[in-house]
Amino acid sequence: DVQLVESGGGLIQPGGSLKLTCAASGFTFSNYAMNWVRQAPGKGLEWVSVISGGGDTTFYADPVKGRFTISRDDSKNTVYLQMASLRAEDSAVYYCSKGSQSSRYSSIDYWGPGTLVTVSS
Amino acid sequence: DIVMTQSPDSLAVSLGERATINCKSSQSVLYSSNNKNYLAWYQQKPGQSPKLLIDWASTRESGVPDRFSGSGSGTDFTLTISSLQAEDVAVYYCQQHYSAPFTFGPGTKVDV
Repeated sequence: DVQLVESGGGLIQPGGSLKLTCAASGFTFSNYAMNWVRQAPGKGLEWVSVISGGGDTTFYADPVKGRFTISRDDSKNTVYLQMASLRAEDSAVYYCSKGSQSSRYSSIDYWGPGTLVTVSS
Repeated sequence: DIVMTQSPDSLAVSLGERATINCKSSQSVLYSSNNKNYLAWYQQKPGQSPKLLIDWASTRESGVPDRFSGSGSGTDFTLTISSLQAEDVAVYYCQQHYSAPFTFGPGTKVDV
């Protein structure tokens, strides 16, 4: 079975940095794109970033471009989201999610349980 | 960026009745080279992570009950629940995966 487990969330002050980690299992990790999607409390889903299978291509949502970096380590079946210059509006549950194909132009067929990031002083 | 809109914001449907959710994209998500609409539908139940229901606008995922169906092409799409069950109470989102950023609609809350 596909499993995605996020870690690294927590309380961070505005302007700080945080690195989210997602450990994947149950599928051939290197063959699939991986996404991060976030959801502020009581709000809708917001797509954040994607990295293609193989890691050669990445895309970011405009609000996080230049502040967040997605990366992957296929030897560890792990995807990361490095977040910097955090703002209050970045507070959300961050979901690690698996693309349905290797291409970045894929839907999301599995989601982790999410990790909560709270940016507050 | 492609803007996704959904209507209605919420709807209440009696058990066994039909629920219809509309999704509109600000530009076409139909890729002419393969004639596929890059449009997915997700279900998010309270306290849970989202679940993929339908991809390519009308292809139901494995294990998804056949009361869920998707239709539409280009910029206008519909998710239909033919006979609402109690377990279908959720928020439903559409998402375009045609062009980055891969935007979601604002969601439609379905209640009984």
